[in-house]
Amino acid sequence: QVQLKESGPGLVQPSQTLSLTCTVSGLSLTSNSVSWIRQPPGKGLEWMGVIWSNGGTDYNSAIKSRLSISRDTSKSHVFLKMNSLQTEDTAMYFCARLHNNYGYHFDYWGQGVMVTVSS
Amino acid sequence: DIVLTQSPALAVSLGQRATISCRASESVRSSIHWYQQKSGQQPKLLIYGAYNLASGVPARFSGSGSGTEFTFTIDPVEADDIATYYCQQSRNEFTFGSGTKLEIK
Repeated sequence: QVQLKESGPGLVQPSQTLSLTCTVSGLSLTSNSVSWIRQPPGKGLEWMGVIWSNGGTDYNSAIKSRLSISRDTSKSHVFLKMNSLQTEDTAMYFCARLHNNYGYHFDYWGQGVMVTVSS
Repeated sequence: DIVLTQSPALAVSLGQRATISCRASESVRSSIHWYQQKSGQQPKLLIYGAYNLASGVPARFSGSGSGTEFTFTIDPVEADDIATYYCQQSRNEFTFGSGTKLEIK
């Protein structure tokens, strides 16, 4: 079955770079698109960006200058890198498959990884 | 950016109908999708394309609307439905509503 699982450091210092990995099983990254979505504690969901099945990327304009999404198709890994972290970047980070059927939606989600930005 | 507006909370009695609204700042046609997020869990897709039920989702859940006004309904509400419900648009990039917390009276 389809599974996505996020991994990465739970604590990052301010101004440093966050690196997360999404390990995907049950589907191929060359025919599926994967997004990153985050959720600050007690708040709503924010779409961060997507790596499309063809390897192209799109990012939320609000964080585009700090964000990079890439992948290793041979290992079924999708990577997120975001620099210049601040306390407001403290959030649960999810990866999810982006599927197009009657519009793009997120049909498979990972359980998320909590990232705290603090010194 | 397209802004989606949801009421913050809704209290409903068990066995009754819960109706959650989502208003878009501009037309998104039928590109609205609904998610359920229980405390401490990842979101779960319930409805896609405004009214299509996701796989394995009970028929108690339904969606309607087009353009800028959308409605998500649970009928009847069960205790397990306690969660926050989010709408999401895919007409122009991807944005989520702020969520509606469903509480039981």
